[in-house]
Amino acid sequence: KAGVTQTPRYLIKTRGQQVTLSCSPISGHRSVSWYQQTPGQGLQFLFEYFSETQRNKGNFPGRFSGRQFSNSRSEMNVSTLELGDSALYLCASSNIRSSYNEQFFGPGTRLTVL
Amino acid sequence: AQSVTQLDSQVPVFEEAPVELRCNYSSSVSVYLFWYVQYPNQGLQLLLKYLSGSTLVKGINGFEAEFNKSQTSFHLRKPSVHISDTAEYFCAVREGSQGNLIFGKGTKLSVKP
Repeated sequence: KAGVTQTPRYLIKTRGQQVTLSCSPISGHRSVSWYQQTPGQGLQFLFEYFSETQRNKGNFPGRFSGRQFSNSRSEMNVSTLELGDSALYLCASSNIRSSYNEQFFGPGTRLTVL
Repeated sequence: AQSVTQLDSQVPVFEEAPVELRCNYSSSVSVYLFWYVQYPNQGLQLLLKYLSGSTLVKGINGFEAEFNKSQTSFHLRKPSVHISDTAEYFCAVREGSQGNLIFGKGTKLSVKP
């Protein structure tokens, strides 16, 4: 079974631009979560989608948004990029029917904002 | 509110030596506890988890962790490390099965020959 895939793996943008990252979950997984990883703040939860609906949201500004499609693939968008948005963005999928909702992580998209 | 504290940001150790990576959490309710490992340029891989039952849990690659409710700790141990264990290790907590994962800041384990 293929793992979680994220595209692109690396991205360079400039301040003020917007960016869209994509995540394809493991087949059969309907929940997708997004995390931001930075050296200073560590791993922080962005949001979770299940059945095309946002189920949980972390403490990030409205510039960060996401969506999920009917095939469970998810995208996250960051508008008006700031230098501080440079980070590794990780996506995780899970089968919420499991008793503890184990999350399987993708390799991440490394975003650099210049 | 939940929080996770990993007491050591970096742990250097020689090959074949034992290692303990410390994790403390705070939560007002029952939690699920996890340890993840991240190798360079990769995502996170689950090492082990505590859900309920026995407080000593065993994971992959010879790692184990002990849940101590009174001390709100979940320390990770390995009796003999290998060079290939060099990675960053994250402790995480979740309230209930559907809550968000809250991560610690990570501990970089460096195994020297």
